[in-house]
Amino acid sequence: EAGVTQFPSHSVIEKGQTVTLRCDPISGHDNLYWYRRVMGKEIKFLLHFVKESKQDESGMPNNRFLAERTGGTYSTLKVQPAELEDSGVYFCASSHPTGNTEAFFGQGTRLTVV
Amino acid sequence: RKEVEQDPGPFNVPEGATVAFNCTYSNSASQSFFWYRQDCRKEPKLLMSVYSSGNEDGRFTAQLNRASQYISLLIRDSKLSDSATYLCVVFKAAGNKLTFGGGTRVLVKP
Repeated sequence: EAGVTQFPSHSVIEKGQTVTLRCDPISGHDNLYWYRRVMGKEIKFLLHFVKESKQDESGMPNNRFLAERTGGTYSTLKVQPAELEDSGVYFCASSHPTGNTEAFFGQGTRLTVV
Repeated sequence: RKEVEQDPGPFNVPEGATVAFNCTYSNSASQSFFWYRQDCRKEPKLLMSVYSSGNEDGRFTAQLNRASQYISLLIRDSKLSDSATYLCVVFKAAGNKLTFGGGTRVLVKP
């Protein structure tokens, strides 16, 4: 069974540019989460989809971040325009529809804004 | 107060020794609990779920204390390969939300 995959694995962009991260969850996992780890800080929740619906987006830092999950399959997280403080590792995780089970993580996208 | 709190460490542990650390959570409605392990520059991976009765998996023992709202992880006979950051993860059914602690860093030294 394929795991959670994220693309790209690394991205280096200039301040002001746009970047789109993609996450393909495990097939059949309705729950999809985005998290971010900024250097030296803890993993912070960004948002949670149940199928194509945003269940909780309380962790989104500001309106420069836009997440979508059209059709309830893969998800994208767009940062526009990127700022220096957006640098970090963005993790995606998915879990079974019941939710009360293990979440599987993708390998993360390391974003560097210069 | 953070929803899930951990001692960041690092815990410097001699090889072969035992180390234990806790994680406290603030929301009494929290339903499920997990310990994840994260190696440097890698994604978190499930180490073990934590059950009310406590559970053991080889050298690892996890305990849950609902009254005091904390979970613990104990590692016996530490190996060099146990060096990692251990993340406490709490699941709340309302909203199906997973919340992470900041992680506890463990360094096992020869």
